[in-house]
Amino acid sequence: GESVGLHLPTLSVQEGDNSIINCAYSNSASDYFIWYKQESGKGPQFIIDIRSNMDKRQGQRVTVLLNKTVKHLSLQIAATQPGDSAVYFCAENIGSSNSGYALNFGKGTSLLVTP
Amino acid sequence: DTGVSQDPRHKITKRGQNVTFRCDPISEHNRLYWYRQTLGQGPEFLTYFQNEAQLEKSRLLSDRFSAERPKGSFSTLEIQRTEQGDSAMYLCASSQAGALTLYEQYFGPGTRLTVT
Repeated sequence: GESVGLHLPTLSVQEGDNSIINCAYSNSASDYFIWYKQESGKGPQFIIDIRSNMDKRQGQRVTVLLNKTVKHLSLQIAATQPGDSAVYFCAENIGSSNSGYALNFGKGTSLLVTP
Repeated sequence: DTGVSQDPRHKITKRGQNVTFRCDPISEHNRLYWYRQTLGQGPEFLTYFQNEAQLEKSRLLSDRFSAERPKGSFSTLEIQRTEQGDSAMYLCASSQAGALTLYEQYFGPGTRLTVT
């Protein structure tokens, strides 16, 4: 079936380096994507989103890139800090107005920032 | 704290028992969602409320599961005759319909259920 998935389950980076987390999706009808960060024992926290009519969107230290040709999404974190250590999920809109635009999440990538 | 809250944070129950979880969304949010998350996986959509109306239920929501949002504010999720496979984190999220916030959902801390 169509799904959202992640290329790498774990990623280890040194503090100060840039991080790139990748995500592949297969539903060509998806028109909205979100990145969430989840720390241990907490619920997912919204990081940044992007609509399918955009290729790039920037936030504070984060950038999301969308390549619709190859159905690929990435999250770039600049100058990674220890507080960035968490599991990162990409999610796509799967719903309609009836479902409140429910989200389909991928498996997640664990980011570990080492000093 | 004006975020989404859930109670309890942890629940251990024996197989066959009933459990009920509560979610208090952000006060002005009219949309409320329940998700389930198992270890190492992303959250999976269970059900959605707009105000007090339950508009969508996923196929994951078996007959043993029921959710309510009686006054369009807090919501409860009940699991009857719990099974070990019900062990998971149950997450609640809320959002406010609007042109700029069509999809953004704010999650609570979750209720971790362990069925022994």
